[in-house]
Formats: sequence, structure tokens, C-alpha cells
Amino acid sequence: AQSVTQLDSHVSVSEGTPVLLRCNYSSSYSPSLFWYVQHPNKGLQLLLKYTSAATLVKGINGFEAEFKKSETSFHLTKPSAHMSDAAEYFCVVSDYSNAGNMLTFGGGTRLMVKP
Amino acid sequence: NAGVTQTPKFQVLKTGQSMTLQCAQDMNHNSMYWYRQDPGMGLRLIYYSASEGTTDKGEVPNGYNVSRLNKREFSLRLESAAPSQTSVYFCASRDRISSGANVLTFGAGSRLTVL
Repeated sequence: AQSVTQLDSHVSVSEGTPVLLRCNYSSSYSPSLFWYVQHPNKGLQLLLKYTSAATLVKGINGFEAEFKKSETSFHLTKPSAHMSDAAEYFCVVSDYSNAGNMLTFGGGTRLMVKP
Repeated sequence: NAGVTQTPKFQVLKTGQSMTLQCAQDMNHNSMYWYRQDPGMGLRLIYYSASEGTTDKGEVPNGYNVSRLNKREFSLRLESAAPSQTSVYFCASRDRISSGANVLTFGAGSRLTVL
């Protein structure tokens, strides 16, 4: 079985400061991991994905995430927050342990950016 | 390309009424999904269709039915709506379950309120 835990439901940062959104996962197999972003009243957009290649994954808008198998973590970071980064972020895991290779979503982290 | 299109965007129902959420994708994807999004719970899979002609239950299928009308269209039906089904519903698609891409494309969502 697979599961995802996003350790913070809300994160607040000042514009120009670093962003850290934490995600821990559980998976029986070598997982694929994703971060999706949802801006207010919008659908979800893929930010980045890890599929067993390089452990440091770069995504859109300056975000990146590092896969750490020993820590079962896939934290999302950005060196300098921008006001447009304010959104909800979802960590997602997928492996082949379930029929349909379904994705499991974390509960989400709402990022607030203060001017 | 429109991607994934959902209708309606908003709907208010009374308890016991029925309705169908429509979803269509123009990317020639094989797999389609219906999720519901509730605060603090991320997205939970209701039903999915791995390919045309097949449908399977996800995590929270009770109270819903689906139809994979053709390769493009995947509808979600509430036969007798309940207040617990108040939620935002997302349709998504991807190329095929075994694809290494494993990335979902989401619609913009349908906000349903059941009174």
C-alpha cells in the first residue's frame, strides 16, 4: 500500500525568502513521486516529477524537489518565493502495488506569501 | 487543444436529486479518472477507467456511478445526491496506465453543493 503525508497544512513565507514544503511517503515498490500545484479556483498543474532517474528534480517556476529514499521524503523547495507562488501544493505517490497504478494524494499544503 | 473539459462548473442540488457531471478529453488518452477534493483530504479517487469499455472503483465509490461513453468521454452520475457529496470534483486523464509518463492532466473542476 502507498501513502503520502504532507507535514504542514499551511506554510507562510515572506516574498524573497526560501520555501520548504515537506512530504513523506510510504511505498512498497520503487515509487514515482510528483508535486502538483493548484491556484485558487483552478485545476491541478504538474510542477515536477521523480521517476527513478536523478534524485534532484527541477520543475517549473524555479521549484525543485529531492528524492531521499533513506528518509522516504520528497520535499519541495524554492530559493526565493514570489507572490504568484501562493497556492495549494499536493505531493503525490504512485507505484505498481495497486491495480490501475493509482495515484495517492497528500492532504495538501497551502502556501501563503507575504509582501 | 482544450485538454480536459468538465461541465458544469457549478451546480446546486437538493438532497435526493440526481445529476451527471460530464468530462471530455481531446488528447487521445486511454485512462480517465474522477476525483473529489475536500479540505484537508487532498484528492480522493472515486472511479477510474483504464481504457475504453472498462471502469473500476477507486477509494470512495459509494453513491456514484460512471460511464465511459467512448474514448473521449467519462461521466460521473449521482443518482440520489446527499449533503456529504458536496465537494469539488475533478476529472483527469493520462495516456495509459503502464506509461512511464504517469502524469495526469486535470480539468478545471466542478463545484457541487447539495442542500
